[in-house]
Amino acid sequence: AQKVTQAQTEISVVEKEDVTLDCVYETRDTTYYLFWYKQPPSGELVFLIRRNSFDEQNEISGRYSWNFQKSTSSFNFTITASQVVDSAVYFCALSELGSWGKLQFGAGTQVVVTP
Amino acid sequence: DTGVSQNPRHKITKRGQNVTFRCDPISEHNRLYWYRQTLGQGPEFLTYFQNEAQLEKSRLLSDRFSAERPKGSFSTLEIQRTEQGDSAMYLCASSFPLAISYEQYFGPGTRLTVT
Repeated sequence: AQKVTQAQTEISVVEKEDVTLDCVYETRDTTYYLFWYKQPPSGELVFLIRRNSFDEQNEISGRYSWNFQKSTSSFNFTITASQVVDSAVYFCALSELGSWGKLQFGAGTQVVVTP
Repeated sequence: DTGVSQNPRHKITKRGQNVTFRCDPISEHNRLYWYRQTLGQGPEFLTYFQNEAQLEKSRLLSDRFSAERPKGSFSTLEIQRTEQGDSAMYLCASSFPLAISYEQYFGPGTRLTVT
C-alpha cells in the first residue's frame, strides 16, 4: 500500500508566486520522520527538510516553510517567492521507526517556475 | 567532504548481460542504501547495509540482484541476466550512523538502459 501520497503531479507558477506542495502519509508507528527532497533536472536528490513525529511546530527556513499536522497526516511544503531555479521534482518521504531508516517516497510533484 | 559518488553514470547493456554498479558513500557514514527509480516515480528501496552487514532486502530485489559492501566501505550492486524491466535509475545513499532521523545523502545515480 502506498504510504506517501502526493496528489499533485505538476504545478506551474510564475516567478515570485508562492507554491504549496501537498503530502499525505500513512503509518501506524507513533515515532516516524518526514522529509522533503528536491530532484532538479540534473537528477541528484537534494535533502531539504526533516521533521519528527513529536514536533508539530511549523517552521520557516529561508524561502521554505512546512506545515505538519498529525491529525490529518499531512506534511505540506511551501516555497515562498518562487524562482526559476526552484523548478524540479519534489518528493515527500517517510521513515518509520524500526525500518532501518529506509525512505518511502511519494510519486513526486513536478514544479515548473516560469519567468 | 566529498559527496556520495556512483559509477558508472550511464550503462547501456543488452538483455541477458550482467552489470555491476559501484557506490562510494561519504567516508564517515556507515549506513548505505540502494534505491531504484523509474520514470515518473519516486525512488523505491532495494536494500540497506550497516557497515558490511546487509540488514534488509526489498522484495523488489529478485534473485538476479545481489549487493555487497565488503569492509563496510564502498558497495556494489550486480544484476545478472538483465531484463528490459531492469531499466531504471539506480540510486545510492548514505547517512550518519546514530539514528534513522538523519537525512540520507544521495549520489548522482547510475542510469541503466537494457536493450
